[in-house]
Amino acid sequence: DTAVSQTPKYLVTQMGNDKSIKCEQNLGHDTMYWYKQDSKKFLKIMFSYNNKELIINETVPNRFSPKSPDKAHLNLHINSLELGDSAVYFCASSQGWGLAGIQETQYFGPGTRLLVL
Amino acid sequence: SQELEQSPQSLIVQEGKNLTINCTSSKTLYGLYWYKQKYGEGLIFLMMLQKGGEEKSHEKITAKLDEKKQQSSLHITASQPSHAGIYLCGADKGNNRLAFGKGNQVVVIP
Repeated sequence: DTAVSQTPKYLVTQMGNDKSIKCEQNLGHDTMYWYKQDSKKFLKIMFSYNNKELIINETVPNRFSPKSPDKAHLNLHINSLELGDSAVYFCASSQGWGLAGIQETQYFGPGTRLLVL
Repeated sequence: SQELEQSPQSLIVQEGKNLTINCTSSKTLYGLYWYKQKYGEGLIFLMMLQKGGEEKSHEKITAKLDEKKQQSSLHITASQPSHAGIYLCGADKGNNRLAFGKGNQVVVIP
C-alpha cells in the first residue's frame, strides 16, 4: 500500500491556467506538508498543516492555496500559473508537527512534476 | 536561517568501494534527517539523528552526528548500484519544518 500518494504524477499546462495537485496519506498522521523542488533540485518547504489547520505558510505567493478537507488529504491549488512555478511538488506527512521539540519523521510522496509552458 | 552544505556535490565510485558524504550546518542541529532520492521518485527516509555523537546504521549505511551537532556524515560500505541516487540531508528549523541541503549525487559504476 502506498503511504503518501499524489496525483497527477505529471502536469503540463499553459501559463495563466489554474491547476490542482492532490495528496493523500494512509498513515494516520496528523500533519501534512507541501515542498517545492526547483530546477536546481533545491527542496524547500511551502506549507504545513496539522489536523486540517494551516500551521505555517513559508511566504508562498497567495496564488498557491492549500486545502485540507480532512487530515488524510492536503491538496494544492495554484492560480494563474507562471513559468517559474515549473518544479516538482512533493507532499509529505508526519505524526505530529514537532511540539515541544519532538522530532517527527516525514514521509514523502512520489512527487508531481509540473511544467508550465 | 538554517544553511546546509553538502559535500561532495557529486561522487562516482566503483561498485564494492566505500564512500562518505557530508552535511554541514551553519547552526546547531536539533534533528538531522537523511533521505535518498532516485530520479523520478520521492524521498526515501534513511535515518534521523538527534544527539551529539549519535551514530545509526541500517544495512550498509551508517550515519553519524558530531558532538557539536553541526556536521553529519553518511558512510556506505561496499557500495552497490542500488545505492546510486541523490542523498539529501534535512534539518528541523522549528515546528518540524525541514530545510534541505542541495544533495550529494552518488553514482556507482558496476
